[in-house]
Amino acid sequence: QKEVEQDPGPLSVPEGAIVSLNCTYSNSAFQYFMWYRQYSRKGPELLMYTYSSGNKEDGRFTAQVDKSSKYISLFIRDSQPSDSATYLCAPRRAAGNKLTFGGGTRVLVKP
Amino acid sequence: DTGVSQDPRHKITKRGQNVTFRCDPISEHNRLYWYRQTLGQGPEFLTYFQNEAQLEKSRLLSDRFSAERPKGSFSTLEIQRTEQGDSAMYLCASSPPFRSGDEAFFGQGTRLTVV
Repeated sequence: QKEVEQDPGPLSVPEGAIVSLNCTYSNSAFQYFMWYRQYSRKGPELLMYTYSSGNKEDGRFTAQVDKSSKYISLFIRDSQPSDSATYLCAPRRAAGNKLTFGGGTRVLVKP
Repeated sequence: DTGVSQDPRHKITKRGQNVTFRCDPISEHNRLYWYRQTLGQGPEFLTYFQNEAQLEKSRLLSDRFSAERPKGSFSTLEIQRTEQGDSAMYLCASSPPFRSGDEAFFGQGTRLTVV
């Protein structure tokens, strides 16, 4: 079993809908949680970065971390066709430590 | 452009040849990481430098792979005697000194095809 799991999708939603993405992990030592967006044949782009449990909001994006259940969520409000991409969750154990990526969830936002 | 720069963007090589990739991190970022990503998968960690010191290597990094960061600035990743299984996207990321934050920023990657 992989340390970080994501549903590969694709997750298809109409424009304007809320996109809900989830990620589970098995390593209780993870303390830092990042979400990356990756367009086809491009490098990952950092979206959100949270430390420990709780919520963090940045514009249309909200990240939630529940360390007790080892569950990470990313919500995208008012989704746009430009949000169509693969979303990768990437926790890490400590500051500066390597990232452990999930396999990513492919999202398609249809106009 | 002040982001992480990788060169070349694409490389096609014949099996058995050696290849070398370069990564230029964001200025003043003293931490540098290499990852490998195959189609449909998330990136997998290969190795980590803090300044010029290579502090961690994955067991994925076989003896055919070597990485350097001689002056603590740019880094190179060399693959010797390439195999078809080495075909992947090789990604470089950099992070600032701990006191300045902990985000990791990625380059656009080098796509390697071994034929």
